[in-house]
Amino acid sequence: SQTIHQWPATLVQPVGSPLSLECTVEGTSNPNLYWYRQAAGRGLQLLFYSVGIGQISSEVPQNLSASRPQDRQFILSSKKLLLSDSGFYLCAWSRGQETQYFGPGTRLLVL
Amino acid sequence: DAKTTQPPSMDCAEGRAANLPCNHSTISGNEYVYWYRQIHSQGPQYIIHGLKNNETNEMASLIITEDRKSSTLILPHATLRDTAVYYCIVRIDRGSTLGRLYFGRGTQLTVWP
Repeated sequence: SQTIHQWPATLVQPVGSPLSLECTVEGTSNPNLYWYRQAAGRGLQLLFYSVGIGQISSEVPQNLSASRPQDRQFILSSKKLLLSDSGFYLCAWSRGQETQYFGPGTRLLVL
Repeated sequence: DAKTTQPPSMDCAEGRAANLPCNHSTISGNEYVYWYRQIHSQGPQYIIHGLKNNETNEMASLIITEDRKSSTLILPHATLRDTAVYYCIVRIDRGSTLGRLYFGRGTQLTVWP
């Protein structure tokens, strides 16, 4: 069966510091991968998606970037965090256009 | 840009059926209706999806109207653990952006004893 992992589970970072969140998927190959953000009391916003190694598409202009160095690894990064980057970050995977399955999420607080 | 409309909140007594409505009046012929739920501080959990026909699985049933402009998610015997935000989503495909989902605010379902 397939599993998706995210770490860390929670993170508190000062403004201006760098960020690296990691997502890995097990039990499947060549998945589509997604990064979402959920601000407090809001719905989920799609940030990035990837259909293969090194292929990243951005949904909204922002302070964040994504990379996919390996088939089942998806990384969300920032060089300098802003207060507005606080939120709940979710990684998801799918087989092509099929159902997306979400990871447990990383809660980020920027102070 | 969620393309769906849901009531912000609903209540249901434990053991009774919970019927969660969703309007998607602009849905296209090849777009699916997906339902997820999110329990506080957890990632969204997939529930069910459908295109035209009604669907049922171990978690819920999905009833889609004949004109496909609305649907209802049914939890046949709600439990306290079903308290969550329920999202109705129309899956949008645009060129190479495969399988993208747009989440709105969802419906907060509260199941009370």
